[in-house]
Amino acid sequence: AQSVAQPEDQVNVAEGNPLTVKCTYSVSGNPYLFWYVQYPNRGLQFLLKYITGDNLVKGSYGFEAEFNKSQTSFHLKKPSALVSDSALYFCAVRDITKNNNAGNMLTFGGGTRLMVKP
Amino acid sequence: DTEVTQTPKHLVMGMTNKKSLKCEQHMGHRAMYWYKQKAKKPPELMFVYSYEKLSINESVPSRFSPECPNSSLLNLHLHALQPEDSALYLCASSRDREQFFGPGTRLTVL
Repeated sequence: AQSVAQPEDQVNVAEGNPLTVKCTYSVSGNPYLFWYVQYPNRGLQFLLKYITGDNLVKGSYGFEAEFNKSQTSFHLKKPSALVSDSALYFCAVRDITKNNNAGNMLTFGGGTRLMVKP
Repeated sequence: DTEVTQTPKHLVMGMTNKKSLKCEQHMGHRAMYWYKQKAKKPPELMFVYSYEKLSINESVPSRFSPECPNSSLLNLHLHALQPEDSALYLCASSRDREQFFGPGTRLTVL
């Protein structure tokens, strides 16, 4: 079965400090991994993805994520947090157990609320 | 055009009302999705349309009825909803890898 775990419900960090939001996965085959961010009362915004290639993936708004196959992790990172980064973050993995000829099914983690304090 | 739009932004309806949610994208994506999202929870997949045909129905109650009139539009018809159906309803589309989400419709059922 495909699954994604975000072990932290909330992460608190001071503005200017580095941040990490954790994600681990369990999949059959090669994982396609994604990070999305959701601001209050808004839809999900795509941040970055790992399909293949370099383990360090760079995305929008200065975020990056490191794919670690041995630890089955895909943690989201940013060198210097901003108050405006405060939001709900979702890790997701392509769900190959569902058939969809035109796209990718996603299995989401439970979400992590990031709070950046001034 | 690189976005998914949804209307209305907010909807309040009674349990006997009939209403519809609309979603539109002009990115040429051939897969479109409806999700339901409760507060502070991940989106839950409801329906998937692939090439304008319903390909996945995640055991959604019949009071929710999806429709895909063409490759750019996706509707969700609502009838006889329950208060527990109150949620943020998200539409998404994809061509290959990542899904692109609309801003959602905040639905309140009284």
